[in-house]
Order: sequence, then C-alpha cells, then structure tokens
Amino acid sequence: DSGVTQTPKHLITATGQRVTLRCSPRSGDLSVYWYQQSLDQGLQFLIHYYNGEERAKGNILERFSAQQFPDLHSELNLSSLELGDSALYFCASSLGRRNSPLHFGNGTRLTVT
Amino acid sequence: DQQVKQNSPSLSVQEGRISILNCDYTNSMFDYFLWYKKYPAEGPTFLISISSIKDKNEDGRFTVFLNKSAKHLSLHIVPSQPGDSAVYFCAASATGAQKLVFGQGTRLTINP
Repeated sequence: DSGVTQTPKHLITATGQRVTLRCSPRSGDLSVYWYQQSLDQGLQFLIHYYNGEERAKGNILERFSAQQFPDLHSELNLSSLELGDSALYFCASSLGRRNSPLHFGNGTRLTVT
Repeated sequence: DQQVKQNSPSLSVQEGRISILNCDYTNSMFDYFLWYKKYPAEGPTFLISISSIKDKNEDGRFTVFLNKSAKHLSLHIVPSQPGDSAVYFCAASATGAQKLVFGQGTRLTINP
C-alpha cells in the first residue's frame, strides 16, 4: 500500500460529459502529480502541484484542469470528454524534495463511450 | 518526442537466471534515474534509483547501471523470481524539472 488513495477506481461515462478524479496523497507529502496512461503506453505527465500551487504542466489538454486543496488532496477535472480520453489516470505524491521518489495510487480507469 | 525509451516491450527469463532490462534516454540534462515496477490493477511502485554522479547502485537482488556516455541504463535482477513478473518502467528527471519522464515499459515474465 503506497498510502496514496485515488477515487473512484473505475468510471464509465459518455462523450461530452465532465468527470472529477480525486487523489489523497500520503501523509506528509506536499507534492501531487497527475499522469495519464493510455493503452499500454508509458505514463504521460499532466500536471504537478506543490502545497497548493501549480508547479509544472505537461501534456495536459485545455479541457482538463486540476487543483490542490488546503488539506493537500487534489482533483483532476476532465470536461467535454472524448473517446480518446479513455485511459488510466494515476496520481502520485512525494515529499517534494529533490529526488524524492514518487509514490503512486492505484489509478482511476476512465472509459468514455 | 520520446526522451526515455525502452525498446523491448517484453522479456521472458527462467527463474533463477539474471533479468536485464534496458533503457535509453536522449536528454543530456537528465541527472536522476529511477526504475518502477507495476503489477496489474496497481500503481507503479518505486524500485531503485541512481544519480548521474554514480555508475552503479545496488539494493539486494536489484542493481542499476548507468552509462552516461551512451545515455543508457539497465536494471539487473539476480536471481529472478516468479514474483518479479511485472511491467518495469524506467524514468528520468532533470535538475529543476518538476516531473519524471517515463519510458513505455517492459513486461518481464519469469518462467518456472
């Protein structure tokens, strides 16, 4: 158990809809990262938050947004969903120090029909 | 642009033998490298890391080797055990960067 909790585990929705994925980091971790994994691909970095502030953006679509709340949990919002958004979405957390390993949750599997 | 490449999608090794997983990178700014292991229906789990100031790091049955001139790293597992069957991801980061860049993964199967 990594200590990172992601909900829900599975999500099935229709094109055009909006969903929210939630992540609770490990106790003590200030950094939260979101990654997307599509069809046996590598993990694609989406966004990084540190102590409530956005620190880096990767290949995140404009239809996607995220935030980290004062209690350090994070939400990833996906809107105007398309079939191609179907993927595994992983959240990871770390202490935020240089070279601190990332600890991943078990992911949310999103299926857009 | 795939900055971290794992060119072998899969690898099959007999139990007890050595497993060698390879990873190449293109970004010369990368200075920290990690290996993650992933079982089905679980998130990736940190395995071992190496800084660019070293060329080898060992942790039990796992050893990571870094060849900076070739921009290549490898993970050696000795001896291989059935529980090592998983997908292994190589990842890299650069100083000041706020993200890990992952390879596509190699599926390792340990045969009894």
